[in-house]
Amino acid sequence: EAGVAQSPRYKIIEKRQSVAFWCNPISGHATLYWYQQILGQGPKLLIQFQNNGVVDDSQLPKDRFSAERLKGVDSTLKIQPAKLEDSAVYLCASSAGTARNTIYFGEGSWLTVV
Amino acid sequence: DQQVKQNSPSLSVQEGRISILNCDYTNSMFDYFLWYKKYPAEGPTFLISISSIKDKNEDGRFTVFLNKSAKHLSLHIVPSQPGDSAVYFCAASQEKAGNNRKLIWGLGTSLAVNP
Repeated sequence: EAGVAQSPRYKIIEKRQSVAFWCNPISGHATLYWYQQILGQGPKLLIQFQNNGVVDDSQLPKDRFSAERLKGVDSTLKIQPAKLEDSAVYLCASSAGTARNTIYFGEGSWLTVV
Repeated sequence: DQQVKQNSPSLSVQEGRISILNCDYTNSMFDYFLWYKKYPAEGPTFLISISSIKDKNEDGRFTVFLNKSAKHLSLHIVPSQPGDSAVYFCAASQEKAGNNRKLIWGLGTSLAVNP
């Protein structure tokens, strides 16, 4: 079974530029998550989708971050314009549902803003 | 307000000995707990979980113990192997409306198993 796929793995951009990350969840997983992990901290949930609907985006900085999951499968996370403090690993994860289902993570997209 | 606390940022253990990673939580409504392991440059991988109706769950070398009265759980790795060297995250969740759950994560404990 293929895992959660993410791209790009690494990205370096200048502040005020934009960047987009792509995620393909495990086949059949209805729930998709985007997390931000800063070095030395635990993952912070940015947004959670159930199929193509948003379940929780309370911690998403909506002035600069946006995410979509149009067909209920793949998802993109965009940052525009980027700030230095956005330097982090962006982790996509998926699960079969929102109950006590194990969350499976991708390898992450490492963003450095200079 | 850190609802899930891993008070030891790092732990060093000799190969073959027991590793004990601790996690404390403040929200008594949490009813499901998970441990994830993370290697550098990789995403976290699920290790083991425990429901609040249990006090122990075992999977091979990994055992998680839950003490609800103390709001404390621990992960035991026996015997520890060098390949266990990673950052271990504790996470907790409670059921919310619509059967939805949100994981609350600790800051992680970096385990080093020395040969």
